[in-house]
Amino acid sequence: RKEVEQDPGPFNVPEGATVAFNCTYSNSASQSFFWYRQDCRKEPKLLMSVYSSGNEDGRFTAQLNRASQYISLLIRDSKLSDSATYLCAVTVPSGTYKYIFGTGTRLKVLA
Amino acid sequence: EAGVAQSPRYKIIEKRQSVAFWCNPISGHATLYWYQQILGQGPKLLIQFQNNGVVDDSQLPKDRFSAERLKGVDSTLKIQPAKLEDSAVYLCASSLEGTSGLTNTGELFFGEGSRLTVL
Repeated sequence: RKEVEQDPGPFNVPEGATVAFNCTYSNSASQSFFWYRQDCRKEPKLLMSVYSSGNEDGRFTAQLNRASQYISLLIRDSKLSDSATYLCAVTVPSGTYKYIFGTGTRLKVLA
Repeated sequence: EAGVAQSPRYKIIEKRQSVAFWCNPISGHATLYWYQQILGQGPKLLIQFQNNGVVDDSQLPKDRFSAERLKGVDSTLKIQPAKLEDSAVYLCASSLEGTSGLTNTGELFFGEGSRLTVL
């Protein structure tokens, strides 16, 4: 079983739609959780960290469910510019820790 | 503030040849990561350094890949001999993890990557 799993998509949604992605992780000792955005042929960039209490940044909401070992990302009122691949990342104990990414979920927002 | 620098941006080689990639992290960042990203997949951690020590290299194919971070600053990743399946983007990233005196948010800062094509 992979350490971090995501549905690769693609998710094709119309502008203005709400879309949600899930990411599951296998190691219950995982410590920190993140969502990154990666545009085509570009490097990943941090979108937001995920906190136990959940957190919101504008149209983006991230949630963590430690009991079920998944994190989620909700995008409201999708824009064309949200089209990208969304990568979840977790830190896993390994000496200090190691930083593991999922396979990414492709989102395409359609006009 | 300068970002993570990588070179070369593009490299085309034939199988069984060797190649080396260089990375200079953000100044002061203690932790440096090398990831391999094959088209359509997420970044796969190859090796993680904290200062000049290895934190994890469990997924580094050690029969052909090697990496070093002398003096705890810049790093080199080498592949020798290359195989067709090594065609990928090699991403270097750095973070504040392990950097004394600074608040670590956990964010990784990536370079633009080195795109390798093995023919």
